[in-house]
Amino acid sequence: SQQGEEDPQALSIQEGENATMNCSYKTSINNLQWYRQNSGRGLVHLILIRSNEREKHSGRLRVTLDTSKKSSSLLITASRAADTASYFCATDASGFQKLVFGTGTRLLVSP
Amino acid sequence: GAVVSQHPSWVICKSGTSVKIECRSLDFQATTMFWYRQFPKQSLMLMATSNEGSKATYEQGVEKDKFLINHASLTLSTLTVTSAHPEDSSFYICSARARSGGRETQYFGPGTRLLVL
Repeated sequence: SQQGEEDPQALSIQEGENATMNCSYKTSINNLQWYRQNSGRGLVHLILIRSNEREKHSGRLRVTLDTSKKSSSLLITASRAADTASYFCATDASGFQKLVFGTGTRLLVSP
Repeated sequence: GAVVSQHPSWVICKSGTSVKIECRSLDFQATTMFWYRQFPKQSLMLMATSNEGSKATYEQGVEKDKFLINHASLTLSTLTVTSAHPEDSSFYICSARARSGGRETQYFGPGTRLLVL
């Protein structure tokens, strides 16, 4: 399977804490994207990092990419209860948006 | 941002019937749309790539005769689950690819939950 792996599978933290999720993938990529999915809903695009980038920020989100290790991490700082959701990484090998999704991390942020 | 809609949002049907799911790009044209399937507590798995005016490209292990895809216009792709069975019960999500500022971006629909009894 070409699917990426994410860890942890589930993460439970308190509001205000930081949450870190990791993603590993198997093939060369053009870019890697992170998505959020609330229970039973569609996906929301969070951030895209290209293969020639090493770090990217967007608000409380920080994404790193290590192409030598074929891995990426998503850091959510100062988490809020509203951040509770599943988070997926997705790799795009061609640059034409044919995405391969990771297994996902279920994040629970308690008030 | 661009909007992609799906209809219906949920459907319950009897085993053996066919179900059609529509995916529309509301404010942009999409030459390419993707169909994904997501089982409970699992990740999205790409089923097929839908290309306007041509045959869809199916991923390995996805039966093209069971999951019929028609991309009749630049704003509409349909997925028909033929002779649905309980194991086809899943969350089906479409996405549409758009080109903006020289970059490709993908926008996801809200998903359609299918329950086959």
